[in-house]
Amino acid sequence: GAVVSQHPSWVICKSGTSVKIECRSLDFQATTMFWYRQFPKQSLMLMATSNEGSKATYEQGVEKDKFLINHASLTLSTLTVTSAHPEDSSFYICSARGPSVQYFGPGTRLLVL
Amino acid sequence: AQSVTQPDIHITVSEGASLELRCNYSYGATPYLFWYVQSPGQGLQLLLKYFSGDTLVQGIKGFEAEFKRSQSSFNLRKPSVHWSDAAEYFCAVVLTSGSARQLTFGSGTQLTVLP
Repeated sequence: GAVVSQHPSWVICKSGTSVKIECRSLDFQATTMFWYRQFPKQSLMLMATSNEGSKATYEQGVEKDKFLINHASLTLSTLTVTSAHPEDSSFYICSARGPSVQYFGPGTRLLVL
Repeated sequence: AQSVTQPDIHITVSEGASLELRCNYSYGATPYLFWYVQSPGQGLQLLLKYFSGDTLVQGIKGFEAEFKRSQSSFNLRKPSVHWSDAAEYFCAVVLTSGSARQLTFGSGTQLTVLP
C-alpha cells in the first residue's frame, strides 16, 4: 500500500522554541494532506486540512498562527509548532489522501519541556 | 448531530477467542466506512473499508466487517484473535456528499489479548 513518512519520529524541545514536522507521501502525489493531534488514550482530532498550493483550513479552536502548515509540493506538507509550550506536547499524525483512502504517517511525538 | 460511536472503550479477550468490536454512525446518508488499527506509539493502519456493494467486507490480518444499514452499524469481527492483535481500533467515516471528505473517527476501542 501507499506509504506516508513523518520526520522526526520524536522530538524534545525547550519551551518557547519552534518545531517543524515533515510529512511526505512516498509513492503517490497527495493534493490534500491532514494533520491530526492525539492525546494519550484518546482518538485523533483533526487540526487542519492542507491543500497543495493554497492556505490550510483549520478546525475550530486550532490556532493557525501557532500551528503553521505549509503544503508546498504534492508530496510534502510541514507542520510548524511555533513558540511551543508544555501543553503542546502530544502525538501529531499526518495523513495523505490517496486515490480512495487516507494513508497515515507513523506519527511524531512532541515533548515540550 | 453527525457522529461515530464506539460503545466499548476497552475489550479483553483470550487468545483464540472470537472478537467483535462495535461501531455505529449517525448520518443522514450512508457514509464511506473504515476500520483502522493503531499499535502503541504508531500511526494508523487501514484494516478494511466499505464503499458500496457486498455488505460483508474482508480486510487484512483476518478481519472482516459487516455493514448493516438498518442498524447504522459497521462492526469489526475476527474469528480467532492472536496476541499480536492487541492494539487500539478506530472506526471512521467519510461523508459521501459535500466537499469536506475528511475522516471522522470514533473514540477508539482498546483491545487486550490474554494468553
